[in-house]
Amino acid sequence: ILNVEQSPQSLHVQEGDSTNFTCSFPSSNFYALHWYRWETAKSPEALFVMTLNGDEKKKGRISATLNTKEGYSYLYIKGSQPEDSATYLCASEEASGTYKYIFGTGTRLKVLA
Amino acid sequence: DVKVTQSSRYLVKRTGEKVFLECVQDMDHENMFWYRQDPGLGLRLIYFSYDVKMKEKGDIPEGYSVSREKKERFSLILESASTNQTSMYLCASSLFSVSSYEQYFGPGTRLTVT
Repeated sequence: ILNVEQSPQSLHVQEGDSTNFTCSFPSSNFYALHWYRWETAKSPEALFVMTLNGDEKKKGRISATLNTKEGYSYLYIKGSQPEDSATYLCASEEASGTYKYIFGTGTRLKVLA
Repeated sequence: DVKVTQSSRYLVKRTGEKVFLECVQDMDHENMFWYRQDPGLGLRLIYFSYDVKMKEKGDIPEGYSVSREKKERFSLILESASTNQTSMYLCASSLFSVSSYEQYFGPGTRLTVT
């Protein structure tokens, strides 16, 4: 079983600060890396899926990078806003055709106004 | 937009009861999944299904069963609920595709077994 780790577990930032989180995953048999945002009382929402080493994706103030050789992905939030407060999940998908994700435990972000 | 709905947001059941959690998706997805989420742990896969009447065990299937009689509906069954099954349950669906299988999630059911 893959072991996906996320850090930090939680953090508080001030409105306007930029921040980033890390997702580490085993690089062997890698197929794709997914990022989700999960706001309280809502469904987890897909942010990015990345497959290639060096991939960079961006959606508004949020961006992500992928390094498959060393097995990590960074998620960046520029100019954090209170509405960015959520748990950010990453999930690694292996190249086995089983459709299975292995999720990290998430990073809980609180943006203070 | 893909919509995945779950039958209840909150559910309280007693130990030993049979519990049904229902999930419906409206985008004709082939794959459907049931996860549970507990504090300090990532989402853990209980069962998944890639076609009607097909099912595969995930990482923690003990104490659960599933049913997929129609493509849009995937049910999770707790045959005899126990207190250690108190958790948040999430359903997801995805297309069968040669590219990466993005999963779409429902809002979750918070189950308490007393």
